[in-house]
Order: sequence, then structure tokens, then C-alpha cells
Amino acid sequence: DAKTTQPPSMDCAEGRAANLPCNHSTISGNEYVYWYRQIHSQGPQYIIHGLKNNETNEMASLIITEDRKSSTLILPHATLRDTAVYYCIVRVAGNAGNMLTFGGGTRLMVKP
Amino acid sequence: GAVVSQHPSWVICKSGTSVKIECRSLDFQATTMFWYRQFPKQSLMLMATSNEGSKATYEQGVEKDKFLINHASLTLSTLTVTSAHPEDSSFYICSARGPGGEDYGYTFGSGTRLTVV
Repeated sequence: DAKTTQPPSMDCAEGRAANLPCNHSTISGNEYVYWYRQIHSQGPQYIIHGLKNNETNEMASLIITEDRKSSTLILPHATLRDTAVYYCIVRVAGNAGNMLTFGGGTRLMVKP
Repeated sequence: GAVVSQHPSWVICKSGTSVKIECRSLDFQATTMFWYRQFPKQSLMLMATSNEGSKATYEQGVEKDKFLINHASLTLSTLTVTSAHPEDSSFYICSARGPGGEDYGYTFGSGTRLTVV
């Protein structure tokens, strides 16, 4: 699976959009970009994933650059409860049995 | 949606004793489950892959005789930390690949915080 690079930490004001970047310059054509987050002392929670098109769900939007070498997770209106570590993971989808490999992630602090 | 239940959520045990952690897929069958360990302020590290009906596959550096994994059914995997020592104190998290085709369904348990005193 391709390696990802994320900033170790970011701050965001409550109510503003949080934009979390991820670099995955070695991504292969059949690898998807997944985002998970981990709130303190809990298990990771799935947020969103995509291949090359931008994706949006009730939690967030995922913007993937045209060359697919980077992506941005957008939380449109961050709340205090969005304070967590956000992990960007790149892997081949539909590969039964393959585990998720977690990097360092970005620690997002949403401030009042 | 898919739910993975992990029990207990926290446990304190004496050094030298064994602790069992259970991971259950509540509304789906999981032929494969994963066990992770997370030390404070660090990321999740995969310990082993648990396959129903067969031996678990351990990551390099993880002692299989110390961390016993049993995946006897399609809904239950257990991790037993044998002869626990203070350095085994950590946050243990299980994960199961959810049902359906596209795998957004890597569902995680809520984790077990183990403290060995």
C-alpha cells in the first residue's frame, strides 16, 4: 500500500471548515484513499473514501487532485466533537483480508 | 450499519496474570478480524490478523505465544494476553471487515485499555 504524509497537527475554529491535507505521491491506479478518525480513547471511525472523483457524505467531503497524488478531507462546519486524530490511508479496495495500515495521522484541535 | 463490540473496555490486572479480550461482530459475519495495539500518543500498530477456523498471522516482532488469538466462529475473535507485564499496558483495538462488496466496512471496536500493575 502507498505511503501517506500528513501534517502532525492542525487547529480549526469551531464553525469553520477544517481542511486536512494528505500526500500520497506513490499511489497506484487501483488504490483508493480512505479517511478514518479516532477520537480520544475510542476505536477509529470510518469517514469517507474515494478513487479519483470527489466524494461527499454526511460527515465530510473528499477532494482528490487530478493526478491523485494528494487529497484533502473537508469538514465543512467543524464542531468541538470533531477534535480527533485523522488518518489518511491508501490501499487497494476489495482486497479481502488486507489490513489497514495507519500512519501518524493529523491531530485536529477544534477550538471555540 | 456494521457494529463491532469489544469487551471489556478497560481492565486492570496484576503482573503475571492473563487477560482475555473479546471482539464480536454483532450483525454480520467476519471471516477476518484484525488486532491492533496503540501506545499513548502513537498510531495503531497491527499485531495480528485473525482468520476464522485457522491460525492467526502475526506481525513481525509480536510474540504469538504471548498474544494468543482464537477465532472460533464467524462472529467472535479473542485475544489473550498471557503472563502480562507492565510493558503490555496499552490500548488494544480489534477490527473486522464489514459485509458487502466495497470495503468502507472496516469497522473497529471501541478498544480495551489494559493496565498491568
